[in-house]
Amino acid sequence: GQQLNQSPQSMFIQEGEDVSMNCTSSSIFNTWLWYKQDPGEGPVLLIALYKAGELTSNGRLTAQFGITRKDSFLNISASIPSDVGIYFCAGGSDSNYQLIWGAGTKLIIKP
Amino acid sequence: DTAVSQTPKYLVTQMGNDKSIKCEQNLGHDTMYWYKQDSKKFLKIMFSYNNKELIINETVPNRFSPKSPDKAHLNLHINSLELGDSAVYFCASSQRVTGGDEQFFGPGTRLTVL
Repeated sequence: GQQLNQSPQSMFIQEGEDVSMNCTSSSIFNTWLWYKQDPGEGPVLLIALYKAGELTSNGRLTAQFGITRKDSFLNISASIPSDVGIYFCAGGSDSNYQLIWGAGTKLIIKP
Repeated sequence: DTAVSQTPKYLVTQMGNDKSIKCEQNLGHDTMYWYKQDSKKFLKIMFSYNNKELIINETVPNRFSPKSPDKAHLNLHINSLELGDSAVYFCASSQRVTGGDEQFFGPGTRLTVL
């Protein structure tokens, strides 16, 4: 099935560093969603974006809906140990019945 | 209050057995989903139901049969389990049936087929 291009696949970072990840698609979406999955848990919605160009924050997290409607990025500022996990992007449109998912970005904090 | 709940959390069984996973949501949502997450962590949609009506039925073996007794419940029954069925299965729900809606996930059921 269709899949979004999410990068990077994994990131090793120092505590306190800023993190950036993005998703791109060949299709246009009306919605971009960013989720985080902790080990042994289900994905949890972090940020939802509904408008091209929209920039939305949730604490240290900031996400943007690209103006072409084909991409989105997620930034995490001043990372802390509890930020480790897998981050997923997902794109959706009202003309489809399902979300299209990225393969995930695994965030690992260097000891 | 748990929004989307699944039982069991862990399921270990032998090849060839039949098993079921149950899902319930108390969010008042109209649409529910089943996803399969393999060892590479990719989330693959299997089924979706809207108000007890099947909407999405991806390329899934016939051994998998979803059942929705009401819009708050979506169960997954798997016949003749195979080794390749080992994965984590997630239930999710959303308010609307269209793909642009936020989905809320359960904690997952880790199925191990021996």
